Amino acid sequence: AQKVTQAQTEISVVEKEDVTLDCVYETRDTTYYLFWYKQPPSGELVFLIRRNSFDEQNEISGRYSWNFQKSTSSFNFTITASQVVDSAVYFCALSGASGGSYIPTFGRGTSLIVHP
Amino acid sequence: DAMVIQNPRYQVTQFGKPVTLSCSQTLNHNVMYWYQQKSSQAPKLLFHYYDKDFNNEADTPDNFQSRRPNTSFCFLDIRSPGLGDAAMYLCATSRDLDSLEQYFGPGTRLTVT
Repeated sequence: AQKVTQAQTEISVVEKEDVTLDCVYETRDTTYYLFWYKQPPSGELVFLIRRNSFDEQNEISGRYSWNFQKSTSSFNFTITASQVVDSAVYFCALSGASGGSYIPTFGRGTSLIVHP
Repeated sequence: DAMVIQNPRYQVTQFGKPVTLSCSQTLNHNVMYWYQQKSSQAPKLLFHYYDKDFNNEADTPDNFQSRRPNTSFCFLDIRSPGLGDAAMYLCATSRDLDSLEQYFGPGTRLTVT
């Protein structure tokens, strides 16, 4: 069984602060994929990033960066110099690489509130 | 350009009155999914279609049905909505079952009075 835990229910920061959203996962698959999605108040889930289990390189995209640590089963997401537009619920998700496990398992989400 | 479209964005129905939510896509993807998302919870998969093949999640209540008359459209029918069915309903698509990226629509927020 797959499981994704986002222990932080809500994080509140002031604009320009850096913030890290935690994600811890469990899976028995040797090959798997990890995702982050953003859900703004408008409702749609917006895909941010996908990593496969064989690629532990950290990734940076503008103000966003992701830290994948297989040894601790974590895939954390950092926003540098946060902005009000970053306010949203962020979901971490996990999918396998075979059969029915392709369909992602989502964490409960972390609500990020960025105050001006 | 809209890729996954859900109508309406907000739907109010009465307890026990059947309601249909619709989803359409312009991506020509083979797979369409319906998720239920209750407040402060993760999206929960109800079912998905791979082409015309319907796949129901084991814990999806019988009250929820789906139809996919063609590649572009997929409907979610709730036969007798209860108060507990009030939620955001998200439609998503992917090119194939082993595609790793899902494209989500904006969702329909269902209120049951």
